[in-house]
Amino acid sequence: QKEVEQDPGPLSVPEGAIVSLNCTYSNSAFQYFMWYRQYSRKGPELLMYTYSSGNKEDGRFTAQVDKSSKYISLFIRDSQPSDSATYLCAMSEGTKGLQGAQKLVFGQGTRLTINP
Amino acid sequence: SAVISQKPSRDICQRGTSLTIQCQVDSQVTMMFWYRQQPGQSLTLIATANQGSEATYESGFVIDKFPISRPNLTFSTLTVSNMSPEDSSIYLCSAERGGGTEAFFGQGTRLTVV
Repeated sequence: QKEVEQDPGPLSVPEGAIVSLNCTYSNSAFQYFMWYRQYSRKGPELLMYTYSSGNKEDGRFTAQVDKSSKYISLFIRDSQPSDSATYLCAMSEGTKGLQGAQKLVFGQGTRLTINP
Repeated sequence: SAVISQKPSRDICQRGTSLTIQCQVDSQVTMMFWYRQQPGQSLTLIATANQGSEATYESGFVIDKFPISRPNLTFSTLTVSNMSPEDSSIYLCSAERGGGTEAFFGQGTRLTVV
């Protein structure tokens, strides 16, 4: 079983739709949760960063973390064609000074296409 | 955020040769990492580049194949040694300020081995 599971898609939705992207994980020590957006032939770009459980909103993007269920989500409202990219979830234990605990573990990435 | 510059952005290399990839961060960072991303795949951590000491390698990666240097808090290099076509991939440098905070990535180096 992979430490982080993410549906690779591809996912295709019409412009303006609400998009829901999800990851599950098995390591209960994960505390820091991130979503990255990666356009074709580019490096990953940090989109959202959340510590522990709860919600975080930034414009059209909302990140949710449910540590009890080991489940994280990214919602995109009013999706735009420019949102078309691969979305990667990532997480870490983040314990400063503990070797190996700060490394990020990535999901497979979900390829998203927003159709005009 | 931190701005990370990677060089070269792409290269085509002959098998059996070596390529050194450079990663420069615009500010001092605690942690630097090197990842590999094979076509259509997610990111796999190669190693953590430790300043002033040997890098910490993940399972399946060894120093002889991927020697790493980190002479200071803003710079690191990854060498892909004795390359074979299986090493064709995107290599990404990442940096963070520690404590599990945000990690930022360079644009990547697209390597093709022929």
